[in-house]
Amino acid sequence: SSELTQDPAVSVALGQTVWITCQGDSLRAFFANWYQQKPGQAPVLVIHGKNNRPSGIPDRFSASSSGTTASLTITGAQAEDEADYYCSSRDNTNNHLVIFGGGTKLTVL
Amino acid sequence: QVELQQSGPGLVKPSQTLSLTCTISGDSVSSNSASWNWIRQSPARGLEWLGRTYYRTRWYSHYAVSVKNRLNITADTSQNQLSLHLHSVTPEDTAVYYCARIPGGSYYWFDFWGQGSLVTVSS
Repeated sequence: SSELTQDPAVSVALGQTVWITCQGDSLRAFFANWYQQKPGQAPVLVIHGKNNRPSGIPDRFSASSSGTTASLTITGAQAEDEADYYCSSRDNTNNHLVIFGGGTKLTVL
Repeated sequence: QVELQQSGPGLVKPSQTLSLTCTISGDSVSSNSASWNWIRQSPARGLEWLGRTYYRTRWYSHYAVSVKNRLNITADTSQNQLSLHLHSVTPEDTAVYYCARIPGGSYYWFDFWGQGSLVTVSS
């Protein structure tokens, strides 16, 4: 199966912009989806498809993609955005399957 | 609003079968658009998609390569439930297990998740 690679940790100053990236061959064929997970909680979908936010997700969250790299952007990071972020996509070696990235721990300074 | 309520034992002995149930409200396990998934999370393996089942004139299931020979995902339409049965478990199967819905569409996102079930494999 394919793999998605994320940086283990990223930090951002309060109110600044941060990019969280996800790399993998599957992203040439499929958009990444992004999840936020806080300690002791289930992941929450923040972006799906090209750049779609579910109801209730602040518009400071956005996504983009180019080639084998997808990015989640948080514009004006807030303290409550400190969490783990995971990307996922369909697996391009068997597109019935789903793969996850290893996750990025975001620290808001 | 879709809700997924998980249930099952928190402790399983090595070599036995890990079984969990996910009771669905607000949608149907036999939906013609959604698919129903199991995902697990451990410190060693991170988030790991395990498999899914869905109904499109008949039932289909797909499993991750890592568990394909040990995993069975079933649906009970009378109870509107999804179940996971992972056979021959080892301590490496210790994880928090989640059920989750893919609502449809081309990019397979998980929009609703169960609360998570911590399962420990230990004698």
